[in-house]
Amino acid sequence: GAGVSQSPSNKVTEKGKDVELRCDPISGHTALYWYRQRLGQGLEFLIYFQGNSAPDKSGLPSDRFSAERTGESVSTLTIQRTQQEDSAVYLCASRGPDREGRNEQFFGPGTRLTVL
Amino acid sequence: TQLLEQSPQFLSIQEGENLTVYCNSSSVFSSLQWYRQEPGEGPVLLVTVVTGGEVKKLKRLTFQFGDARKDSSLHITAAQPGDTGLYLCAGSFPSGYALNFGKGTSLLVTP
Repeated sequence: GAGVSQSPSNKVTEKGKDVELRCDPISGHTALYWYRQRLGQGLEFLIYFQGNSAPDKSGLPSDRFSAERTGESVSTLTIQRTQQEDSAVYLCASRGPDREGRNEQFFGPGTRLTVL
Repeated sequence: TQLLEQSPQFLSIQEGENLTVYCNSSSVFSSLQWYRQEPGEGPVLLVTVVTGGEVKKLKRLTFQFGDARKDSSLHITAAQPGDTGLYLCAGSFPSGYALNFGKGTSLLVTP
């Protein structure tokens, strides 16, 4: 079946502009995650959606970052007033029913964001 | 603070050699995953281990979870150029849902 898809694959923007990144999870996956991968760093957790529960936003680095999810489908990550330090690859992952606490997440190809 | 420390950070070897990559922590994890990531792509799940002492094999790759579930290793036998990539370990806590990633080991296998 289809995997996680993300768009755009690349985004170049100017400092101060807003950007919106999109994620389509694997069909039927109720859990959706956003991570950020900066050069030379491990993946950093940003936000987690599980079904209709309130999202866990504890990883968002500032109030310029926000995310929404429509039901159990598409999610958008919005970064307002972008800064150069926001340049990174933004990765989306989804997870199906959690077997035995394995927490197996499947990642999309990412959106590479460059802020000039 | 990086919960998972991976070593080595970089590894360049020739085709046919064996190698081991380590993933260490002072924390106990309920599960641990290994992913491989190639340039311009997202991480691809290789294996999940959940039981202390567990060993899993995937063709030439052998994964081991430490007895105390704090560390893991990945051993590759007779490496091939197709093994080139960034190897990431990630751990989950029993009460958590986010993956905690190490910084990765960048492997280059030359013919």
